[in-house]
Amino acid sequence: DQQVKQNSPSLSVQEGRISILNCDYTNSMFDYFLWYKKYPAEGPTFLISISSIKDKNEDGRFTVFLNKSAKHLSLHIVPSQPGDSAVYFCAASREPDKLIFGTGTRLQVFP
Amino acid sequence: DTAVSQTPKYLVTQMGNDKSIKCEQNLGHDTMYWYKQDSKKFLKIMFSYNNKELIINETVPNRFSPKSPDKAHLNLHINSLELGDSAVYFCASSPTRQGSEAFFGQGTRLTVV
Repeated sequence: DQQVKQNSPSLSVQEGRISILNCDYTNSMFDYFLWYKKYPAEGPTFLISISSIKDKNEDGRFTVFLNKSAKHLSLHIVPSQPGDSAVYFCAASREPDKLIFGTGTRLQVFP
Repeated sequence: DTAVSQTPKYLVTQMGNDKSIKCEQNLGHDTMYWYKQDSKKFLKIMFSYNNKELIINETVPNRFSPKSPDKAHLNLHINSLELGDSAVYFCASSPTRQGSEAFFGQGTRLTVV
């Protein structure tokens, strides 16, 4: 039973445009959400997070939106750059010692 | 200065063998994890240790035995390797507080032949 889902395995966006990556979850007890970025042959690296008491968090070109009623979060990257090409994982947590990850979305930013 | 380092990066071994993957973190974190990324790219938690104490064991076969000699190290020993154990294994660490992000190692690609 996958509690965190990323239904789009891949996304292709032109440089300079907005990239929107989506994530859905099933467990309403999750209270913290994170996005990780992963390059090939490297471990995931933390990108941005949001607490369930907020609906938006922004960090430079990256913004995460949380819609608790829909159990949906999204990551917006604007403007997208070729260096953003990677696999993006969303993760959710309801206890400090455990992150549950989605299956990832491969983002390709082309010139 | 690698924050979370795991060795080896690649491991190819035959079925039935026993192997270990080592992990060390120099971040002073109390919590360490092992995650497995399978062929479907699903990143799933296996174990979590807090200050050398096992916190989470996610229905992992008992052929997998984590060992934490101190809070900076969490090694993963796998007995009687099977073909289905082939995956990328990630070690991670985090401070023990809700909402803190985990820092991951580069991963160990295990191939069982």
